[in-house]
Amino acid sequence: AQSVTQLDSHVSVSEGTPVLLRCNYSSSYSPSLFWYVQHPNKGLQLLLKYTSAATLVKGINGFEAEFKKSETSFHLTKPSAHMSDAAEYFCVVSGGSNFGNEKLTFGTGTRLTIIP
Amino acid sequence: DAGVIQSPRHEVTEMGQEVTLRCKPISGHNSLFWYRQTMMRGLELLIYFNNNVPIDDSGMPEDRFSAKMPNASFSTLKIQPSEPRDSAVYFCASSPRTDTNYGYTFGSGTRLTVV
Repeated sequence: AQSVTQLDSHVSVSEGTPVLLRCNYSSSYSPSLFWYVQHPNKGLQLLLKYTSAATLVKGINGFEAEFKKSETSFHLTKPSAHMSDAAEYFCVVSGGSNFGNEKLTFGTGTRLTIIP
Repeated sequence: DAGVIQSPRHEVTEMGQEVTLRCKPISGHNSLFWYRQTMMRGLELLIYFNNNVPIDDSGMPEDRFSAKMPNASFSTLKIQPSEPRDSAVYFCASSPRTDTNYGYTFGSGTRLTVV
C-alpha cells in the first residue's frame, strides 16, 4: 500500500519570503513522487516529479523538492513566493503496486496563501 | 495539442437523472484516468483504462457509475440515476504510458451539481 501525508492543510507566507510545503510518504516499493498544483477552478498541473534519478528535483516556476529516503519526505520549496503561487498543492505517490506504476495516490492538499 | 478536453465544464441536474461526462485524451496517450474531487474526500481515482481496456475500477462508488472507452480518443463516465452526493468535480487525465513516471495531464474538470 502507498500513501502520502501533507502535514499542513494551509500555509500562509508573505510575498518574497520562502515557501515550504511538507510531505511524507509511505510505500512498499520504490516510489515515484510528484507535486501537482491546482489554481482556483482549474485542473491540476504537474510541478515536478522524482523518479529515482537525482534526489533534488527542479520544477516549473522556481519550485524544487528533495527526496529524502531516510526521512520518507518529499518537501516542496521555493526561495521567494510570488502572488501567482497562491493555489492548492498536492503531493502524490505512485509505484506501490506489484502491477506497475499506473495509479497515483494524492495527498489531501495544502492551500498556499500569499500575503501582499 | 489542445490538452485533455472535458465536457461539459458545468452540469446541473436533478436527482434521478442520467448524467454523462465526456473526455478526449491527448492524442497518443494510451492511459486514461477518471478522478473525482470533493471537499470531504479529496481526489479519488474512480477508474483507469490502458489501451481502451478498463484495468482497475475498484474506485467506482457503486453500480450507478459506469465508464467506457470505445476508442483511443474518447471516454465517458455515466451516472444513472444521479444523487445529490454525486456532486463533485470530475477530472479526466491521460498519460503516454502506464508508467506514471511520465506524470498525468489533467483536463479542466466537470463540475457536477445534483439537486
